[in-house]
Formats: sequence, C-alpha cells, structure tokens
Amino acid sequence: GAGVSQTPSNKVTEKGKYVELRCDPISGHTALYWYRQSLGQGPEFLIYFQGTGAADDSGLPNDRFFAVRPEGSVSTLKIQRTERGDSAVYLCASSLTNFETQYFGPGTRLLVL
Amino acid sequence: DAKTTQPTSMDCAEGRAANLPCNHSTISGNEYVYWYRQIHSQGPQYIIHGLKNNETNEMASLIITEDRKSSTLILPHATLRDTAVYYCIVRVAQGGTYKYIFGTGTRLKVLA
Repeated sequence: GAGVSQTPSNKVTEKGKYVELRCDPISGHTALYWYRQSLGQGPEFLIYFQGTGAADDSGLPNDRFFAVRPEGSVSTLKIQRTERGDSAVYLCASSLTNFETQYFGPGTRLLVL
Repeated sequence: DAKTTQPTSMDCAEGRAANLPCNHSTISGNEYVYWYRQIHSQGPQYIIHGLKNNETNEMASLIITEDRKSSTLILPHATLRDTAVYYCIVRVAQGGTYKYIFGTGTRLKVLA
C-alpha cells in the first residue's frame, strides 16, 4: 500500500520567508509525528499529533514553528520568518496508534539562503 | 539524550553476516528496542523491534541480552544495498506518546 508521502521533496527559500511543508500519512494512521534532521545527525522529535490535536509539541524549537492537522489526516508544518539555521531535512512519520511502529516518509529538504 | 550508544562506523564484506551492536544500559523494563536504517537521501526505514525475546523477520534478526542492556542486529547475508546508517533506538514513554530518541547511528559500508 501507499506509504507516507511528503511534499515538496526539496524547498529553497530566502531568509525571512514563510514556508509550508506537507505530510500525507498512511491511510488510517491516527498518530503523526514531525522530526527534523540536520546533516550527520539522527532525526530529532518536533511534534506529535493524535487525531487532530497536537498532543505534544515540546520539540518545536521556537514560536516560528507551527503545525496543524485539521481533519486528522494530512498535516502541514509551517515555518515563519525562516532563518539559515532552519535548513535541514524535515521528516514525517505515522503510526496506526501511538503504541505502534512509526513509518517515515522520504522527507523535505529545506534550504534557507 | 539518546539512551543508546553505537559504533560510529563498520565495514562488512558482501555475502557475510553484518552484526551491529548497540548498548542501552539504562533501558527500563517496558521500553522496546527498535532498529531503523537510513539509506542516503531517504527517510528512515523500519527493520525490526523487540522487548526481551530474540526476534527475526525477512530483513534481519535481533538478539537482546538477558539483562536487556545491549542488543545486536544481524543482517545474515549483507548486500551492497544494505549500505546505510543503522539506528538503534529505545522507545520511551513521554508526553502522552512513545518517542523515538535517535542517536547518530552506525554507518555500515558493505564492501564488494
């Protein structure tokens, strides 16, 4: 079946701009996670959704980062006033429930110039 | 901080078994060990997980020591396509969910 998909696969933007990154989880998966991966490092947790609500956003680095999942399926990660330090791969994962194995998408590579 | 430590890199000859070790000495009784791998420019791919018993699937085997302080992922016949970064993760209960806290993984290179 279809896995987790993310769009765009690559995004180049200028410092100060606003970006949106989209995640389509596996159909029927209620739990959705966003991670950020810097070069040479493992992924770092950003936020977790159970259904439509953000159950844990403790990993978001600051208030420029925000994520939504309005209908409990697709999620959008939004970054305001981007900075060069935001450049990274943003990964999305979903799981059937929060106890089950997480399956990752291919990621969005964000480059802030 | 990651609850696991892994060697930074390993080499393995094609066709041989690749044995990737992981230490997780502070693991709690109900925390699972998960293994993922990440091939260049792709998202992490699930391999296998376990709690206390050894596990095997079509991709790999997972051997967990009796005291659960360490584990080994075994790829029985490594191929060039198994070249990747392998992450050993202890899944922790935190913030109403179960979180993966990744370390920096082991970079496995399979040599022809």
